Amino acid sequence: DTGVSQNPRHKITKRGQNVTFRCDPISEHNRLYWYRQTLGQGPEFLTYFQNEAQLEKSRLLSDRFSAERPKGSFSTLEIQRTEQGDSAMYLCASSRQLTDTQYFGPGTRLTVL
Amino acid sequence: AQSVSQHNHHVILSEAASLELGCNYSYGGTVNLFWYVQYPGQHLQLLLKYFSGDPLVKGIKGFEAEFIKSKFSFNLRKPSVQWSDTAEYFCAVNSNNAGNMLTFGGGTRLMVKP
Repeated sequence: DTGVSQNPRHKITKRGQNVTFRCDPISEHNRLYWYRQTLGQGPEFLTYFQNEAQLEKSRLLSDRFSAERPKGSFSTLEIQRTEQGDSAMYLCASSRQLTDTQYFGPGTRLTVL
Repeated sequence: AQSVSQHNHHVILSEAASLELGCNYSYGGTVNLFWYVQYPGQHLQLLLKYFSGDPLVKGIKGFEAEFIKSKFSFNLRKPSVQWSDTAEYFCAVNSNNAGNMLTFGGGTRLMVKP
């Protein structure tokens, strides 16, 4: 396993700009998850995919947030019209089956100025 | 809805001291329980997990946790900590009914003094 990778590792943007993050899961993991972690808090679930199907997205923080996994491999998380409150670490995780362990990537740290 | 509480936000210990970090969850159904660790500058790593069976679970680096269903608890223990255990520790829970999403506690930041 090469592990879950995320790009970029850091992103600084101005308020109102759109940003997109990429996550590459461990190969053969069919489940992919996005979480957000703010300072001093545990990760907070956002959404997840089984293969290319997005099975839960009600926890996305607003309609400015969207995620895709078009071919069932890598995934992107987009935030439109960023706000200062979006500043956080965005984490991706993947797992093989329904109850299997989730393995986390290093995260993308977003700073909105 | 699931929720997880970690009672200790910051813990400072000397090397060789014993460690116990509290974790309580609220959920009425069958749950899976996890402890993750985040060393400084590194990503979240799984320390141990409980799905079923023996409620005393042993993980990596000498850590263990005990699932007490009647108390909705999954406390993490280590008999003798080392300086290298300095990290943030997160308890998490998921259930099959909730689509495998993990609900995390707020974390406990452990500092071990050499």
